[in-house]
Amino acid sequence: TQLLEQSPQFLSIQEGENLTVYCNSSSVFSSLQWYRQEPGEGPVLLVTVVTGGEVKKLKRLTFQFGDARKDSSLHITAAQPGDTGLYLCAGPPNSGGYQKVTFGIGTKLQVIP
Amino acid sequence: NAGVTQTPKFRVLKTGQSMTLLCAQDMNHEYMYWYRQDPGMGLRLIHYSVGEGTTAKGEVPDGYNVSRLKKQNFLLGLESAAPSQTSVYFCASTKPRLAGGTGELFFGEGSRLTVL
Repeated sequence: TQLLEQSPQFLSIQEGENLTVYCNSSSVFSSLQWYRQEPGEGPVLLVTVVTGGEVKKLKRLTFQFGDARKDSSLHITAAQPGDTGLYLCAGPPNSGGYQKVTFGIGTKLQVIP
Repeated sequence: NAGVTQTPKFRVLKTGQSMTLLCAQDMNHEYMYWYRQDPGMGLRLIHYSVGEGTTAKGEVPDGYNVSRLKKQNFLLGLESAAPSQTSVYFCASTKPRLAGGTGELFFGEGSRLTVL
């Protein structure tokens, strides 16, 4: 099993602050995905990063894939209460197949108005 | 749009009882998965299927069985429930990249199971 470690596990910030959460592994991933999960619901995909060094932006969210494809980060600018949720990184093994997709434990974000 | 539907959404069992969770998807996806989500443990893969009639073990398969008799359905069975199987179970499906998909996993809303 290829382990994905996420940090921090919990984060509580004020509205308007910036934050970064991290997803790290000792293994290489062919791609990494970021999902957001709200209470009582299943995770929903935010983005997939495929190329080492790739940066993708989704409004106030910026995702980066490490050059070595072993890590990724999610940066949120000017956080809003609507950003509250559990952020999960996930990836298939380096062989590229989506037969086994591994998830990190997640970062639980609370944005206080 | 239904997407991925799980039934039941809530269930309470006594130790030793059996039950089946049903997952149905209407997106014609080849791959389907069962995960369990526990506090501090994240989403852990129980079993998965890459097509009708095929299943394989994930990270935590013990105590569970699965079947995929039809492409759109993936069943998760507990033959003799134990308190350690108290969890929230999620089903997901995807169309793999090799079949022209993006690899995005589509999840159901979850099934909360309590074993007393």
